[in-house]
Amino acid sequence: SQQGEEDPQALSIQEGENATMNCSYKTSINNLQWYRQNSGRGLVHLILIRSNEREKHSGRLRVTLDTSKKSSSLLITASRAADTASYFCATDTNAGKSTFGDGTTLTVKP
Amino acid sequence: GAVVSQHPSRVICKSGTSVKIECRSLDFQATTMFWYRQFPKKSLMLMATSNEGSKATYEQGVEKDKFLINHASLTLSTLTVTSAHPEDSSFYICSARDSTGVYSPLHFGNGTRLTVT
Repeated sequence: SQQGEEDPQALSIQEGENATMNCSYKTSINNLQWYRQNSGRGLVHLILIRSNEREKHSGRLRVTLDTSKKSSSLLITASRAADTASYFCATDTNAGKSTFGDGTTLTVKP
Repeated sequence: GAVVSQHPSRVICKSGTSVKIECRSLDFQATTMFWYRQFPKKSLMLMATSNEGSKATYEQGVEKDKFLINHASLTLSTLTVTSAHPEDSSFYICSARDSTGVYSPLHFGNGTRLTVT
């Protein structure tokens, strides 16, 4: 079964608005990572948050982690058309494997 | 930054033939690489973990004789789809970590779009 599940599956916003995506998982984790995928391409790592961290920032990205609720959120502020992509959360398990959620497809309209 | 190169980016083959996909770490050594399959608008499904100098570890339900993995050097892993059928058509992606830390970020190739006719 999928360890991570993103919500919503699809999100459409206007340029300049903020986009929030959520990820829920089922088991205990060491880290949670967020990746971005442009259509037909590989994934690009965005940010890693460790299980003992609650919030992390990187540029226009803000990630939160609530281990009690087994959930994480990714906030993209002041969105741009170039932010249009699919976003995946990935939870890190033992043996170095990462398990990916189903992703959120973000469309930012110019 | 760490770069993973994957070739070819697109391949079309006839049913019954075999296709080899290469995954190279260009500026770092990767003792472990991962192979995924992705269906349209879906998540990445881990197929196998490729280990340099030893046998790959396959996920449950993935046929090892169908998807042959070779990791002969610290910078190259190959996935061969043998006797391909139309249902093997998919997007295949490889990844690797650029450090020995098992929780360091994954670096991905750009994927291979396989179409079996």
